Amino acid sequence: QVQLKESGPGLVQPSQTLSLTCTVSGFSLTSYNVHWVRQPPGKGLEWMGRMRYNGDTSYNSALKSRLSISRDTSKNQVFLKMNSLQTDDTGTYYCTRGLGEDYWGQGVMVTVSS
Amino acid sequence: EIVLTQSPTTMAASPGEKVTLTCLASSSVNYMYWYQQKSSASPKLLIYYTSSLASGVPDRFSGSGSGTSYSLTISSMEAEDAAIYYCLQLTSTPYTFGAGTKLELK
Repeated sequence: QVQLKESGPGLVQPSQTLSLTCTVSGFSLTSYNVHWVRQPPGKGLEWMGRMRYNGDTSYNSALKSRLSISRDTSKNQVFLKMNSLQTDDTGTYYCTRGLGEDYWGQGVMVTVSS
Repeated sequence: EIVLTQSPTTMAASPGEKVTLTCLASSSVNYMYWYQQKSSASPKLLIYYTSSLASGVPDRFSGSGSGTSYSLTISSMEAEDAAIYYCLQLTSTPYTFGAGTKLELK
């Protein structure tokens, strides 16, 4: 069955870089898009960006200068890197298959704090 | 960027009551999607392509709308429907969510 699982550090220091991994199973990264969505504590959802099935990427313009999404199809993994982290980057980060479908990871909580 | 405005922000409904949530888009969108989120769980898809019911979703949920105005209706409120509901547009990037409607049980 389709599964996605996020992994990464729970705590990141301000100004540092966040690195997250989304490991997928049950489908091929060369057939489906994978998106990253985040949610600050007690707040709403924000689309961050997308890795398309063909390797192209799209980013939320609000984050574009700090964000990079890449993949390793041989490992069924999609990666998110975001630099210059600040406290308002604290939140739960999700990866999803094809936003508009119903396949989400469980999310990973990231706290930006010194 | 297409801004989605959801209303009301918060509401309470009694068991059996009909509930209608609204999502207004700042520009016309092709379709609207609706998600339900409980506590700290991942969002769950309820409605796709404006009015199609996602797999396993009770048929008391329905969606409608076009252009810039969309709605999610619960025909008869149940306790398990207490949650936050988000609309989502995928017409143009950046894809955007509404700020959510918190639905409570009265």
